[in-house]
Amino acid sequence: EVQLVESGGGLVQPGRSLRLSCTASGFTFGDYAMSWVRQAPGKGLEWVGFIRSKAYGGTTEYAASVKGRFTISRDDSKSIAYLQMNSLKTEDTAVYYCTRVMDTAMVGSIDAFDIWGQGTMVTVSS
Amino acid sequence: DIQMTQSPSSVSASVGDRVTITCRASQGISSWLAWYQQKPGKAPKLLIYAASSLQSGVPSRFSGSGSGTDFTLTISSLQPEDFATYYCQQANSFPPLTFGGGTKVEIK
Repeated sequence: EVQLVESGGGLVQPGRSLRLSCTASGFTFGDYAMSWVRQAPGKGLEWVGFIRSKAYGGTTEYAASVKGRFTISRDDSKSIAYLQMNSLKTEDTAVYYCTRVMDTAMVGSIDAFDIWGQGTMVTVSS
Repeated sequence: DIQMTQSPSSVSASVGDRVTITCRASQGISSWLAWYQQKPGKAPKLLIYAASSLQSGVPSRFSGSGSGTDFTLTISSLQPEDFATYYCQQANSFPPLTFGGGTKVEIK
């Protein structure tokens, strides 16, 4: 079964750091780009960023709201994607979803997100 | 940034009804559009990609159409399990990749 499982969420004070993990199973993790999407309580979906597969350089892209504070990385040997979140703000409070990227043209881009994890809650509050 | 505007924000419908949701992009995105369904407390689920391609396992009562700036998601005969919130997402130009604000399909 193709599956993504996030972990690492919790309550953190503003200005502190947190690292989320996304453990994949059921597919060849290294062949896929991975992305993070978040959803603030009662709000819509917001793309956070993504990391390409090694075949496309393993490069990353981020939303402006997190650029310079968040870092996405991957360990293909462990089938894990990470979201390192630094200098957290109260507005970062959200459920964070790990997603697998669908890239039908195989050009290192994003068509859609075809597999989603169950999400992990991050609460930034003093 | 490309803005995605969904309408209506909510719709009340009955089982068996035909439901249409619209998504408009602030600039042309060709066919780089996806639709998702999200039920309360659950992760979104991909329904449609490339504007009209049905994701594997998704019932055929769901269909997508459109290109350029105007897109629609149609549920041909609403089923009890279809009551949920639906989001569109553009993939033509990023960063940032952007989602619509969502359309909640409620029971009439």
